[in-house]
Amino acid sequence: ILNVEQSPQSLHVQEGDSTNFTCSFPSSNFYALHWYRWETAKSPEALFVMTLNGDEKKKGRISATLNTKEGYSYLYIKGSQPEDSATYLCAPRMDSSYKLIFGSGTRLLVRP
Amino acid sequence: NAGVTQTPKFQVLKTGQSMTLQCAQDMNHNSMYWYRQDPGMGLRLIYYSASEGTTDKGEVPNGYNVSRLNKREFSLRLESAAPSQTSVYFCASSEVGGGGYTFGSGTRLTVV
Repeated sequence: ILNVEQSPQSLHVQEGDSTNFTCSFPSSNFYALHWYRWETAKSPEALFVMTLNGDEKKKGRISATLNTKEGYSYLYIKGSQPEDSATYLCAPRMDSSYKLIFGSGTRLLVRP
Repeated sequence: NAGVTQTPKFQVLKTGQSMTLQCAQDMNHNSMYWYRQDPGMGLRLIYYSASEGTTDKGEVPNGYNVSRLNKREFSLRLESAAPSQTSVYFCASSEVGGGGYTFGSGTRLTVV
């Protein structure tokens, strides 16, 4: 079974703080790394799909980086807002089938 | 634009009963997936269908069967429900080339 680790498990920050999370995955047989945002009572929504070592993606105040050689990705949120409160999931794709293996997520709570 | 539609949203079954969870997507995606989500655990893959006419087991297939009825529809069947199958089930689809998943709104299943 593939080992996908996300840290921290949960995080509480104040509005305006910047924060980051880590996703670790096996570095062999890598195809892609996905990040999803999952709000309570909703479905996960895709944030980024990254494939190349050194990739950086940005969407508003959220950005992500990828290191495929060492098997990790960082997700950054600049100036956190209460609406950023959600669980952030990472999921590597490790074969040609397009199926993803999800980590357990980092649960972010942004206090006003 | 409906995206991925799952039915039903909620279901209570007695142990031993059978049921089928329905999933349909209108985005012309090739690949479809069924995941379950349990407290404290990440999304775990039950079955997936890389393309119409093919299905493959995921991480936790025991007790389930699937049918890829056509390109749009991918159903999940529980032949004899067990309490261990109490979970929230998510269907997802993705386009050719491995883009981000689009998830349905989930089915909350309780087996008593």
